[in-house]
Amino acid sequence: DAGVIQSPRHEVTEMGQEVTLRCKPISGHNSLFWYRQTMMRGLELLIYFNNNVPIDDSGMPEDRFSAKMPNASFSTLKIQPSEPRDSAVYFCASSSTGTNQPQHFGDGTRLSIL
Amino acid sequence: AQKVTQAQTEISVVEKEDVTLDCVYETRDTTYYLFWYKQPPSGELVFLIRRNSFDEQNEISGRYSWNFQKSTSSFNFTITASQVVDSAVYFCALSEGWGKLQFGAGTQVVVTP
Repeated sequence: DAGVIQSPRHEVTEMGQEVTLRCKPISGHNSLFWYRQTMMRGLELLIYFNNNVPIDDSGMPEDRFSAKMPNASFSTLKIQPSEPRDSAVYFCASSSTGTNQPQHFGDGTRLSIL
Repeated sequence: AQKVTQAQTEISVVEKEDVTLDCVYETRDTTYYLFWYKQPPSGELVFLIRRNSFDEQNEISGRYSWNFQKSTSSFNFTITASQVVDSAVYFCALSEGWGKLQFGAGTQVVVTP
């Protein structure tokens, strides 16, 4: 079975540019999560969707970050404008119905903002 | 306040040695879940185990075993007879309420031949 699919795997861009990260959750999973991983802060939850609706976005660092889930099989995380401090690995994860089900992670997007 | 503490930053062992990773958590909830994830050098996060707060039974899966003790708020993970392929960062995580995962800082395990 296909796992969580993220694209691109790597992204290098200059500061000020718009960055869009994409995620396809596991089919049938109704919860989707975006995380950011940095050396300084570890793994941080950015936003959580349930049935395509954002439930908790308290981890989104600032207005430059936005996330959407237009349907059950696709989500985007957008940074506009990007800054060097946004450089990190961004993970998408999904889980099935029911609270506290294991979250299954994609391979991540390694983002470098120059 | 940090809710999940993994005090060991890095553990280095020689192949076939056992290694135990410590995880101490903090919560006021009576219902919660604990998880372990593995992050190999390739970077992906791999789910290993989930345990709920009402099930203190220890678990063994192959060379992996987990010791959950509510009295000490600990959920430790042991790799028996370690192998080079076990080299990775291991994360302990706590989930309360709707399921928000709070990760520890991770423990880097280095297994040398």
